[in-house]
Amino acid sequence: DGGITQSPKYLFRKEGQNVTLSCEQNLNHDAMYWYRQDPGQGLRLIYYSQIVNDFQKGDIAEGYSVSREKKESFPLTVTSAQKNPTAFYLCASSTLPGVYGYTFGSGTRLTVV
Amino acid sequence: RKEVEQDPGPFNVPEGATVAFNCTYSNSASQSFFWYRQDCRKEPKLLMSVYSSGNEDGRFTAQLNRASQYISLLIRDSKLSDSATYLCVVRRRDDKIIFGKGTRLHILP
Repeated sequence: DGGITQSPKYLFRKEGQNVTLSCEQNLNHDAMYWYRQDPGQGLRLIYYSQIVNDFQKGDIAEGYSVSREKKESFPLTVTSAQKNPTAFYLCASSTLPGVYGYTFGSGTRLTVV
Repeated sequence: RKEVEQDPGPFNVPEGATVAFNCTYSNSASQSFFWYRQDCRKEPKLLMSVYSSGNEDGRFTAQLNRASQYISLLIRDSKLSDSATYLCVVRRRDDKIIFGKGTRLHILP
């Protein structure tokens, strides 16, 4: 079955650590996206990529970094520069143009301890 | 003004009732429209696309009014399992997808 897989489901980070969230898709989608969702809030776009080896900043890119070395993979690193990283992180993918909407992964819940 | 706006709710509706949500968008060049459903602590899932002529999927009906720039979702004969947050989603001409903050729905037994 085609889909989009995020791991881990839960992640705990100590202050000052960098952590990397994995996102893999086998839908052959060109575009991939990272969103952050805080409790009771909407989705905010962190980074997106429409082609391998290229990515663009979203609305809240500060403190995050990404790479897109393969079409299937779009990992997100939450760096120590991100001051408030505790949130629910969602990865999504879509065709281009995105006429069919997005497919989301099941998310990673990151908590700073 | 936000690009996609929804009433956050919550809508508390008795089981079996009909409930309707509206969503307004500000960018007249928007191309595609969707309703997503998000359960608590889960990822959003596509409920239905919204077509210009309106479309129906079982108990769910979606409508698009381009002149007034709003879309709507109607749920008939609501079930307890319909309790969720419903996200209005708009795709712009530049292919950027904008999410509304969602409307919370509670179906009461």
